[in-house]
Amino acid sequence: AQSVTQLDSQVPVFEEAPVELRCNYSSSVSVYLFWYVQYPNQGLQLLLKYLSGSTLVKGINGFEAEFNKSQTSFHLRKPSVHISDTAEYFCAVSALRGSTLGRLYFGRGTQLTVWP
Amino acid sequence: DAGVTQSPTHLIKTRGQHVTLRCSPISGHKSVSWYQQVLGQGPQFIFQYYEKEERGRGNFPDRFSARQFPNYSSELNVNALLLGDSALYLCASSSTEYNEQFFGPGTRLTVL
Repeated sequence: AQSVTQLDSQVPVFEEAPVELRCNYSSSVSVYLFWYVQYPNQGLQLLLKYLSGSTLVKGINGFEAEFNKSQTSFHLRKPSVHISDTAEYFCAVSALRGSTLGRLYFGRGTQLTVWP
Repeated sequence: DAGVTQSPTHLIKTRGQHVTLRCSPISGHKSVSWYQQVLGQGPQFIFQYYEKEERGRGNFPDRFSARQFPNYSSELNVNALLLGDSALYLCASSSTEYNEQFFGPGTRLTVL
């Protein structure tokens, strides 16, 4: 099976500062990787995904992430955050093959709080 | 384009009751998955259906069941509700069983 570890449960940051949300994963097979954002009392919105190809992936709202296979990491970054980025962020993996094909495995989430 | 829709938005039940949650996928999507998100945690996989067949089941007791209809909509049923079943239940749809999943707004279930 697959598992995801989000290393920080809470990340406070001031507006216009850069931010990195860390994600490590474990899997015995190749995986797809995702970052989702969840605003209060809402569902999940896809920020970006890594399927194959370039290891640097750009998503919506100025976010990007880098896939590092050797370190089994998929950290999310933004060079300058806004107050509107305050939300819960989830890293997720999905196996490309095997009995767990198509299932998303999520980390526990990182609460990003942007202060003025 | 309409996204994934779920009903009801909120639900309050008492222990021992049963509940049915509903999900309509994005038009053209044939796969529906269900996730449980307990407060303060990430979503956990419950079921996946593709072309009306169960393709996967997570580590949940038999009190949880689901089905997918010919129009690809889906129901999640939970019997003999426990306090620990209180959670946000998320439905996601995708065009195939392994493609990108799009999530609905969820149903907030509270068990008293």
